[in-house]
Amino acid sequence: SAVISQKPSRDICQRGTSLTIQCQVDSQVTMMFWYRQQPGQSLTLIATANQGSEATYESGFVIDKFPISRPNLTFSTLTVSNMSPEDSSIYLCSVVTGNTDTQYFGPGTRLTVL
Amino acid sequence: SQQGEEDPQALSIQEGENATMNCSYKTSINNLQWYRQNSGRGLVHLILIRSNEREKHSGRLRVTLDTSKKSSSLLITASRAADTASYFCATDPQNSGYSTLTFGKGTMLLVSP
Repeated sequence: SAVISQKPSRDICQRGTSLTIQCQVDSQVTMMFWYRQQPGQSLTLIATANQGSEATYESGFVIDKFPISRPNLTFSTLTVSNMSPEDSSIYLCSVVTGNTDTQYFGPGTRLTVL
Repeated sequence: SQQGEEDPQALSIQEGENATMNCSYKTSINNLQWYRQNSGRGLVHLILIRSNEREKHSGRLRVTLDTSKKSSSLLITASRAADTASYFCATDPQNSGYSTLTFGKGTMLLVSP
């Protein structure tokens, strides 16, 4: 398994501002992912964070709104830019470790935009 | 597009009873994973079942997979109040390339003492 931490755990932000969420893993992993969970909803994949190259975004998500960095094999950041109340969600990072295909999730960042 | 669909959406039982949750999906998969989420916190991985497997057990959990019907079930036996949570199935579609998961809408389980 993997131990994943996220910072911050929660935040309340004003519309129009940006927030950067950090994801740290206790071991080197190839695949890291960012998901969004809107209130009362299920999880939706935002993007796959690739080390050494640009992130791969899912339909409906764009780099200008959700820029992602992946500077090494244990760390990634997701920025939520120019926030609006509709961005209020839980943002979760996840990793796949070894060759088990099991995907482990961080504790999430609960974002509220006023 | 939404891949997994769980039913029921909500389930309320008494401690000691068994809880069964079902998941249906649309496309061929590499594997299907079940997760638990307590009160909007992070997801806890429960079980991964591969497309060539039909049943797996882990403690009080039993998962079945029927690829011909594109469905899976999660059975929690002898439930406890601590099992109260939302349960999600997530599918890893074949040919997805990156092990990306598509989540169902979840079943909210309430276990009363």
